[in-house]
Amino acid sequence: GAVVSQHPSWVICKSGTSVKIECRSLDFQATTMFWYRQFPKQSLMLMATSNEGSKATYEQGVEKDKFLINHASLTLSTLTVTSAHPEDSSFYICSARALAGEAYNEQFFGPGTRLTVL
Amino acid sequence: GNSVTQMEGPVTLSEEAFLTINCTYTATGYPSLFWYVQYPGEGLQLLLKATKADDKGSNKGFEATYRKETTSFHLEKGSVQVSDSAVYFCALGSSGGGADGLTFGKGTHLIIQP
Repeated sequence: GAVVSQHPSWVICKSGTSVKIECRSLDFQATTMFWYRQFPKQSLMLMATSNEGSKATYEQGVEKDKFLINHASLTLSTLTVTSAHPEDSSFYICSARALAGEAYNEQFFGPGTRLTVL
Repeated sequence: GNSVTQMEGPVTLSEEAFLTINCTYTATGYPSLFWYVQYPGEGLQLLLKATKADDKGSNKGFEATYRKETTSFHLEKGSVQVSDSAVYFCALGSSGGGADGLTFGKGTHLIIQP
């Protein structure tokens, strides 16, 4: 089946530093990947849509200069949290949309990355 | 804008009990509706979906019917098992499937006791 991985699974950093999170589709290609954020006991909130070879599309209220997204290949998207602060602490989840096959247009989710900013 | 409301848990049931997890939505147009399941330590997995009114999605004994008149997509299973213990998310997407980012409910933690 389609597998999406995220790295790291958890990270702790100091306030003011930048953190990069990778999202990879392991056995399929994805021109579109999505980044979500989940607070405790809250739903997943869509942050941005990552398009291979073009700029990401950000949801209203999400700072594009703070959450940098790069989708340089059909299997990799990265989310960089720049100058992280404690309020950025959250669970970040990516998904990748299948291009072809029985699962066409279905989104496959990564296991998430827990970010803690001290 | 779009929104999804689902019953909050945890929901605790005994094995072989009947399960219903309520989900209602607010959306413009004709969205697609999904149920995702998340087992401990794993990513969300699509459980079932429906793309138009009156469609019934089903998988692994779970069912949900797209009810446009009540804007609902309740998840049901006739006889739950311990292995069904997980967090269940109701979600809404654009018409035509999961081509766009999804709007999720808060999730319902289901605990099945032997």
